[in-house]
Amino acid sequence: NAGVTQTPKFRILKIGQSMTLQCAQDMNHNYMYWYRQDPGMGLKLIYYSVGAGITDKGEVPNGYNVSRSTTEDFPLRLELAAPSQTSVYFCASSITGGNYEQYFGPGTRLTVT
Amino acid sequence: KQEVTQIPAALSVPEGENLVLNCSFTDSAIYNLQWFRQDPGKGLTSLLLIQSSQREQTSGRLNASLDKSSGRSTLYIAASQPGDSATYLCAVNQAGTALIFGKGTTLSVSS
Repeated sequence: NAGVTQTPKFRILKIGQSMTLQCAQDMNHNYMYWYRQDPGMGLKLIYYSVGAGITDKGEVPNGYNVSRSTTEDFPLRLELAAPSQTSVYFCASSITGGNYEQYFGPGTRLTVT
Repeated sequence: KQEVTQIPAALSVPEGENLVLNCSFTDSAIYNLQWFRQDPGKGLTSLLLIQSSQREQTSGRLNASLDKSSGRSTLYIAASQPGDSATYLCAVNQAGTALIFGKGTTLSVSS
């Protein structure tokens, strides 16, 4: 049971480039989340999904897109990367919403120059 | 809008001390509160989750309390060790989906 996995671990992008951050979980969790963490700050929600085919915006969705075609995978797409998107990105999952614990992946450290 | 505050931002203690980390939140209508540990350059490890109906949770040397009415939670670490050095994050689940995080308390335990 690998839990929540994320690839890549590190990435450097040039301004204007695009990329997809991968996230997968093998716990059969319905809910999945993408957060970003800027230096010295708490995590902020970008997007979340309550099941395959269903996604919704979080607090900071601008510049990102998501899709959820399977229960296991929840990729995050960055279009036209900007320096403001330099951050550490964490994917998380939970069985469902409400009172259930969220489990986090190891993160992807992204630098946009 | 829910805001989560953690005090202090940083704490240095000698090995063996008992210590308390504080977390406060502005809206008491929460599902639960979760404490995490984050090591430098690493992901988040869940330490304790307290449901809104609970007053405290314990795991080993860790004890977390929740006072919803006053919007406060504390994480008590007994007999601290150098291996406890990390950043501790508090997060509340308000809407049943997203966690709202504080900025964390960075703990350094010296031997």
